[in-house]
This record gives sequence, C-alpha cells and structure tokens, in this order.
Amino acid sequence: QVQLQESGPGLVKPSETLSLTCTVSGTSISTYYWSWIRQPPGKGLEWIGYIYYSGSSNYNPSLKSRVTISVDTSKNQFSLKLSSVTAADTAVYYCSAYSGSRRLHDYWGQGTLVTVSS
Amino acid sequence: QSALTQPASVSGSPGQSITISCTGSSSDVGGYNHVSWYQQHPGKAPKLIIYDVSNRPSWVSNRFSGSKSANTASLTISGLQAEDEADYYCNSYSSSSTLVVFGGGTKLTVL
Repeated sequence: QVQLQESGPGLVKPSETLSLTCTVSGTSISTYYWSWIRQPPGKGLEWIGYIYYSGSSNYNPSLKSRVTISVDTSKNQFSLKLSSVTAADTAVYYCSAYSGSRRLHDYWGQGTLVTVSS
Repeated sequence: QSALTQPASVSGSPGQSITISCTGSSSDVGGYNHVSWYQQHPGKAPKLIIYDVSNRPSWVSNRFSGSKSANTASLTISGLQAEDEADYYCNSYSSSSTLVVFGGGTKLTVL
C-alpha cells in the first residue's frame, strides 16, 4: 500500500531554514502531485504547496516567498524548504499524495512536529 | 483565517445524526464539485472520508454522507458512535491563487 514518511530536524532556530523530506513507497512518484500541509498546535490545516514529478509546482501565496518544494524521482522522495522561520512556523508538517484529477489528498504521512526556538 | 468556514464545534448523542457545514465562495465550493472531507483523531494524520462532494472511499462507513448547495458543502454523520469523536476538515479546489483551501475544522463531541 502507499506509504509516506516525513523526516528531518524537530528543532529549528529562528531565521534559519526548515528542511523536511518525505519518502514515498508503494506507488510510482509519477502517480500523484506531492503536497506539504502543516498544522500549528491546536489549530487547523494549512496547505503549503505541491509538486509534480516533472518539477512543476504551486505554492500557497501566503508562504510563496519562503517556500521551495523539490522532487527526487530517483529516490522516490520530495522535500520542503521553508526559509526565515519564526515561532509562527512551529507546526506538525504532513506530506500527502494529492490527486490532481480528483483534487483530494489520498494518502498522508504520519506528520512530524517542527519547533522553531532558539 | 481559513478560506472555508466551518463551525468550531458540534455535538450529538450516540445514535443521533449531526451535520457539519463548510461555506466558501463561487471560486471554490460553489464553483467545483471537488469538495473533500477529512477526519482527524488526536495525534493522528487526517484521513479522507468523502470526496467529490458526496463520494465515499470503499473503507468508509455509509453513516458518512456529503452534499452541497450553492457555496456550502455539508457532512452528515448518522447513527453517531463514540469512535466518530474527532476533528473534521473540509477541503476544496479553488480557482484563486490558493489552489487548495481547507476549512478551519470542526470538533465533534459525542456526548
């Protein structure tokens, strides 16, 4: 079955860059768009952006200036970089498999908590 | 502030039915049938329960149903069970620059 697993540092200092990787198994990376979503503690879900295996990407305008999502088809992985982080970026970060045709998040990773603190 | 508006909380007793609304605009909910709903238990990742307004994945109970009228989508859970207690999020495709929009989430309490 399709599985996604986030990995990366759980603690990032203010003004630095948050970097996470999502490893995909059980499906070809060309099957879906690959998305990042975050959830601040006690709050709702926020879409960050997604990328297709071709490299085509779209980002939430509210984060666009600080976000880069990339894909490595040889490793079946995609990654998130969020620059100039502040405490407001503290959240559980999820990766998901997004169906471009049905416009839904079919599969999700378990999520990883990233805390921004000095 | 979320693009889609949901009530912060709803509650119901076991066996009852509840409905959660999700209000957007003609750029998202009202303009497309790409509305999906996700169930999230504490400490867990969200799970898809409804897609394309009213379709259920095969593993989801038929107690869950979805509908839409104009700019408002709705999720109905019938025959409430204790295990339904969770947070519920609506999601829609949007023709705005934010292509993927979520509701703020609704906490369902089973009394």
